[in-house]
Amino acid sequence: ETGVTQSPTHLIKTRGQQVTLRCSSQSGHNTVSWYQQALGQGPQFIFQYYREEENGRGNFPPRFSGLQFPNYSSELNVNALELDDSALYLCASSLDRVNEKLFFGSGTQLSVL
Amino acid sequence: QKEVEQDPGPLSVPEGAIVSLNCTYSNSAFQYFMWYRQYSRKGPELLMYTYSSGNKEDGRFTAQVDKSSKYISLFIRDSQPSDSATYLCAMSGVNQAGTALIFGKGTTLSVSS
Repeated sequence: ETGVTQSPTHLIKTRGQQVTLRCSSQSGHNTVSWYQQALGQGPQFIFQYYREEENGRGNFPPRFSGLQFPNYSSELNVNALELDDSALYLCASSLDRVNEKLFFGSGTQLSVL
Repeated sequence: QKEVEQDPGPLSVPEGAIVSLNCTYSNSAFQYFMWYRQYSRKGPELLMYTYSSGNKEDGRFTAQVDKSSKYISLFIRDSQPSDSATYLCAMSGVNQAGTALIFGKGTTLSVSS
């Protein structure tokens, strides 16, 4: 067990809707990163938060946004859902901003119909 | 050309075999090299971490990094059915998106008893 928990485990939405995914990091881990993993692909970096501020962002549009809270919890919000947003969304926490040891949760499987 | 290419494609071996998994990369700025194992419906789990070039051994697992050839490998000795999973290589270094991990597509390994 990594100590990183995500909710919900599965979610079904329709195109155009908005979704919020939640993550609880390991206590003491100041950095949380979110990744999108499409079927048969490796995870792709969405963004990273360090001490409640966005610290880096991958090639994802602004409709993907996030929040990190002082209690080691975080959220990924996706607006105007598209069919291609169907994927496993992974949250990972680490002690600092250098991603040498990421601890991943089990992910939220999002299906957009 | 993708930043990280993972080779080979799906792999099936008998129990006790030596398994070799490989990745090549194009970005010479990568400094940290990792191997993750991902079981079905789970998040990736860190197996091996190497900084810069060299070898690292942990039990039945050996990771090798050759920065001059931009090539990394993971060897699994005496493979077990419990090793059946998807293996993802991942790399990071300081780049425009902060210190994001760049993953390969993954190699699915099946070890039969």
